[in-house]
Amino acid sequence: DIQMTQSPSTLSASVGDRVTITCRASQSIVTWLAWYQQKPGKAPKLLIYKASSLESGVPSRFSGSGSGTEFTLTISSLQPDDFATYYCQQYNTFWTFGQGTKVEIK
Amino acid sequence: QVQLVESGGGVVQPWRSLRLSCAVSGFTFSDYAMHWVRQAPGKGLEWVAVIWSDGINKYYADSVKGRFTISRDNSKNTLYLQMNSLRAGDTAVYYCAREMRGDSSGPVFDDWGQGTLVTVSA
Repeated sequence: DIQMTQSPSTLSASVGDRVTITCRASQSIVTWLAWYQQKPGKAPKLLIYKASSLESGVPSRFSGSGSGTEFTLTISSLQPDDFATYYCQQYNTFWTFGQGTKVEIK
Repeated sequence: QVQLVESGGGVVQPWRSLRLSCAVSGFTFSDYAMHWVRQAPGKGLEWVAVIWSDGINKYYADSVKGRFTISRDNSKNTLYLQMNSLRAGDTAVYYCAREMRGDSSGPVFDDWGQGTLVTVSA
């Protein structure tokens, strides 16, 4: 099974900050990686797929990069609506999620 | 617009069964593979099962294999999850999710339902 490890688990930041979340896969997943945003009591929302492709309707301040085993999600200027939990997901072999990164207000 | 609405959750005793449904609208259901994903209270996301658009190919997470069965009725635009021999560890919000179409994107989940809570407790 492919394991996904996100860091950090929690991130404290302020509005306007540049935020980076890292996701590492236990083996190469090429670029078969997605990022989701989840707010409390809500379903996850797709932000990025294939490591760097922005889902339609997602603000351009979100970007993704990486390949192989190391990936990043970057929010260029954190907005109030961005405080949430973020999950990476590999879909190279079945589907596995990272444990999540909670972005909270500093 | 695309809508996925889960139902059937509730409180159930260990070793009993429960069937979840996911009614969809706003897209051609029979064209899409569909998934179930769960989230235990306060925990992360766990993929549970997938069924291809034709309903023939199905795959399961090891944690539910042999106990859960995914199915679909394309004439009713509905996805199902039959859950047998339920355990406390199956307590979670269960989401249905649509798999994005297209070879370039890969099998990623582009739309989700709001979830239905299953609580396994004596």
